[in-house]
Amino acid sequence: DIQMTQSPSSVSASVGDRVTITCRASQGISSWLAWYQQKPGKAPKLLISAASSLQSGVPSRFSGSGSGTDFTLTISSLQPEDFATYYCQQANSFPFTFGGGTKVEIK
Amino acid sequence: EVQLVESGGGLVQPGGSLRLSCAASGFTFSTYWMSWVRQAPGKGLEWVANIKQDGSDKNYVDSVKGRFTISRDNAKNSLNLQVNSLRAEDTAVYYCARGGSYWADYWGQGTLVTVSS
Repeated sequence: DIQMTQSPSSVSASVGDRVTITCRASQGISSWLAWYQQKPGKAPKLLISAASSLQSGVPSRFSGSGSGTDFTLTISSLQPEDFATYYCQQANSFPFTFGGGTKVEIK
Repeated sequence: EVQLVESGGGLVQPGGSLRLSCAASGFTFSTYWMSWVRQAPGKGLEWVANIKQDGSDKNYVDSVKGRFTISRDNAKNSLNLQVNSLRAEDTAVYYCARGGSYWADYWGQGTLVTVSS
């Protein structure tokens, strides 16, 4: 199985800050990567697919980049509604696997 | 509006069984891969199983192979997960999700399965 490693596991940031989350795959996955946002008690929400394709309705302050084994999710200017846990997911081969999550907390 | 509504969760003893269901609406169900993803309390996400549009291709994570069975009824717009021989480590919220060939773009609210004596 492909292992997905996210860092950091948590980050404290203020409204307006730029936040960067990284995800590393244990083997090359081309651009078969998605990013999800999950708020407490809620289902995950797909933000980005194919490493950099923003889903409809997702604010443009979210962006994704990378290919191969190293990927990045960037929030350019953190908003109050962005405090949540973020997960990466590889879609190169089944079983699809997720990173351990990054919790974005209020500083 | 896409809606996915899970049901069938509950408290079950180790070794027991449950049948989870997901009622889909707001899209053409028969044209999408569908999946089940679970999340243990306070833990991360685990993709459990997926099923092709016509049911001809199914995949399972190793930890549930031989115990869980995914199925679908395109006439009724429903997705199911038969979970047998349950273990404590199967305790989780089980999400129904649209998609499964790559990623899941819509998720239900989840149904909680608790395995405990």
